[in-house]
Amino acid sequence: QKEVEQNSGPLSVPEGAIASLNCTYSDRGSQSFFWYRQYSGKSPELIMFIYSNGDKEDGRFTAQLNKASQYVSLLIRDSQPSDSATYLCAVGAGGFKTIFGAGTRLFVKA
Amino acid sequence: AAGVIQSPRHLIKEKRETATLKCYPIPRHDTVYWYQQGPGQDPQFLISFYEKMQSDKGSIPDRFSAQQFSDYHSELNMSSLELGDSALYFCASSATRTRDATNEQFFGPGTRLTVL
Repeated sequence: QKEVEQNSGPLSVPEGAIASLNCTYSDRGSQSFFWYRQYSGKSPELIMFIYSNGDKEDGRFTAQLNKASQYVSLLIRDSQPSDSATYLCAVGAGGFKTIFGAGTRLFVKA
Repeated sequence: AAGVIQSPRHLIKEKRETATLKCYPIPRHDTVYWYQQGPGQDPQFLISFYEKMQSDKGSIPDRFSAQQFSDYHSELNMSSLELGDSALYFCASSATRTRDATNEQFFGPGTRLTVL
């Protein structure tokens, strides 16, 4: 079992809809959680980070963390075609080590 | 705003050759991370440095070594290259606020290494 699990997708949503991306992790001691967006052949771009249980909103993006369920999610409201990318969930594994999930491919249809 | 700089952007080597990748972190960032990303795969953590000392080690082969210099730039040295080393190599940097939890990392554009 991978330490960080994501549905590889692809997840397809129409323009203007809400895209919901999910991630589970195995290390109960993890304390830091990140969502990165990666376009093909480009570097990961940090979108959101969350350290505490609950919701964190930034513009069209909301990160949700539930440490008891070892679950973190990313909601993208009013999805745009430019949001089409691979979304990587990353979990701090203690110290400076970070474990990435395999990523979920998102397609936003115009 | 200044970003992470990596050089070279592209590198082609033969099997058994050596390669050196360079990373210049965002100014005032004290931590550098190296990742390897194969085609269609997630970034695999290789190694990190905090204040010029190795801080954590991931799935870095023994053929690879890295260090962080006094100006905080870092170099990843790869020897006895194999075909399977062909990948995108990313460097990321962060300004460390706490050593108990991973901090937000900002990635460079990557070096695409091709081993023939």
